[in-house]
Amino acid sequence: GENVEQHPSTLSVQEGDSAVIKCTYSDSASNYFPWYKQELGKRPQLIIDIRSNVGEKKDQRIAVTLNKTAKHFSLHITETQPEDSAVYFCAASLQGGSEKLVFGKGTKLTVNP
Amino acid sequence: DTGVSQNPRHKITKRGQNVTFRCDPISEHNRLYWYRQTLGQGPEFLTYFQNEAQLEKSRLLSDRFSAERPKGSFSTLEIQRTEQGDSAMYLCASSYEVDRGSQPQHFGDGTRLSIL
Repeated sequence: GENVEQHPSTLSVQEGDSAVIKCTYSDSASNYFPWYKQELGKRPQLIIDIRSNVGEKKDQRIAVTLNKTAKHFSLHITETQPEDSAVYFCAASLQGGSEKLVFGKGTKLTVNP
Repeated sequence: DTGVSQNPRHKITKRGQNVTFRCDPISEHNRLYWYRQTLGQGPEFLTYFQNEAQLEKSRLLSDRFSAERPKGSFSTLEIQRTEQGDSAMYLCASSYEVDRGSQPQHFGDGTRLSIL
């Protein structure tokens, strides 16, 4: 079955710096890759997603890149702010099937003021 | 639209008791998913419904677990004879499936289950 590996497990940056989180997936048929942000005790919230027909997508300070050949995708956050501190999860799914999400184990991002 | 709603938010029960959780999806969403999340881990898929039909169940869903979505709207997840290992956050998500691809899944706040 699908497996998603996520690195690093923790990431600490200074306010204003960039943060990069990387994920790899095992099932080459996966074609949809969302990223969720989860603050302590709260629901996972979708922050950005990308489909396999696109190599890069950007939304203000957040961008995601996808390399289908290497089966990896990355989240880039620029100009980090303390409110970006949270756990970030990558996920993969197969659109057109069950579309169940297979999640990575998460990255705890801390942005220091 | 208030998003995905889950009740109760917290449930504390003794080992061996039965528990039931409820999920109300976003009103126009025809797909409903249940996930389980333990501390320090990402959510793990349990089962999903397309309208009222349960279409897939994970190996994680033992025969003590049952889920229903009788009218294609809200769903319930029941755990019978609870065990210590059932302690987790149970998350519900919903989406709208169109042709060969869905809109993103939106999650509820979850029900945190603690087994004494």
